[in-house]
Amino acid sequence: SQQGEEDPQALSIQEGENATMNCSYKTSINNLQWYRQNSGRGLVHLILIRSNEREKHSGRLRVTLDTSKKSSSLLITASRAADTASYFCATALDPAGAGGTSYGKLTFGQGTILTVHP
Amino acid sequence: GAGVSQSPRYKVAKRGQDVALRCDPISGHVSLFWYQQALGQGPEFLTYFQNEAQLDKSGLPSDRFFAERPEGSVSTLKIQRTQQEDSAVYLCASSPTGTGNNSPLHFGNGTRLTVT
Repeated sequence: SQQGEEDPQALSIQEGENATMNCSYKTSINNLQWYRQNSGRGLVHLILIRSNEREKHSGRLRVTLDTSKKSSSLLITASRAADTASYFCATALDPAGAGGTSYGKLTFGQGTILTVHP
Repeated sequence: GAGVSQSPRYKVAKRGQDVALRCDPISGHVSLFWYQQALGQGPEFLTYFQNEAQLDKSGLPSDRFFAERPEGSVSTLKIQRTQQEDSAVYLCASSPTGTGNNSPLHFGNGTRLTVT
């Protein structure tokens, strides 16, 4: 079963606009990661935010994490047509909740399909 | 190679056939994961190897699914007596670290299995 839910399921915007995707999860986590998947390809890691961090930036990406609400958001600023892809959040369990060990197993959400129109 | 390599890229099997899917992780990566991704869904965990040891196989959907990594590098996922519900993309991922650390996963492009 999947850990979290993402919304929206699909997002269609124009080039230059910002895109915001949200992710909710259920259990205590060690970190949360965002991945991108182009059609017919594997997943590419975008950014990792640890449970003791609240916000992280990487280029045009901004990720927030609210552990009290068990939610995260991914903001892509000044979107480009090349950003068109599916975006997935993934959580790694808190080692304490995983019996004292954690090997980096990720549990993925169902994804947001982003379409950026030129 | 520079990335995770999976073969074949596409596989069509008749129901009841056995299939073997191969994953070449990034050289030196300790951890190797197999995920199953149904159409329009996120990847779902199947199994995990740390070097040659299979530490977690809790996600394997039935005893028809078997995975191995005998020398701690290349891994094979085998599905016996395939069923239509096995149709999915099978993704392999590796990471340089093992137990106790969390680092990003490096994914291959997957094998798309279609069972007819």
